[in-house]
Amino acid sequence: DARVTQTPRHKVTEMGQEVTMRCQPILGHNTVFWYRQTMMQGLELLAYFRNRAPLDDSGMPKDRFSAEMPDATLATLKIQPSEPRDSAVYFCASGLVGGGGNSPLHFGNGTRLTVT
Amino acid sequence: RKEVEQDPGPFNVPEGATVAFNCTYSNSASQSFFWYRQDCRKEPKLLMSVYSSGNEDGRFTAQLNRASQYISLLIRDSKLSDSATYLCVVWSGGYNKLIFGAGTRLAVHP
Repeated sequence: DARVTQTPRHKVTEMGQEVTMRCQPILGHNTVFWYRQTMMQGLELLAYFRNRAPLDDSGMPKDRFSAEMPDATLATLKIQPSEPRDSAVYFCASGLVGGGGNSPLHFGNGTRLTVT
Repeated sequence: RKEVEQDPGPFNVPEGATVAFNCTYSNSASQSFFWYRQDCRKEPKLLMSVYSSGNEDGRFTAQLNRASQYISLLIRDSKLSDSATYLCVVWSGGYNKLIFGAGTRLAVHP
């Protein structure tokens, strides 16, 4: 059963440190999303890639967040420097868009980030 | 106005009850629709896609009303295990935007 894989599952770090979260999308999927979820905000879209190109990162604080897809099997989300308000669960999701069909998104287990 | 709106609930229902959730969307050009389920501290998981003609999967029925721009989810014979948050999801903007509703919380009690 194909899965989206996210690492690490949990991350505790101190304010000011760099955090890197990784995601391996399902093989063959051409879209990757990064979402952040807190109790207060629900699911917030941070970034969206299609065929490795960023299509929408308007939800991402540009001064400290960056998202990349160095290749089709890896998406990264970095926070530098991290702040306590970044504490949340970060989900990666992948899907297939185009070619006459569109699949729903499949989510990874998430990275639970705590910044102290 | 949010692009996708849901009643946050919670809906508290006894086992065996029938419960319905609605979700409205603002972009009339939206193309695809889904219901996801999210358990506490877990990732969202696809429950079912929503087709124009309506579709059923066991105790779950999803319907789309394009004229009124809403989708619905009906759960019959509720089980304790149905307790979760149900998220309405809409593709729009030429498949350039995937928007999640804030979710409707369901609690099924004995």
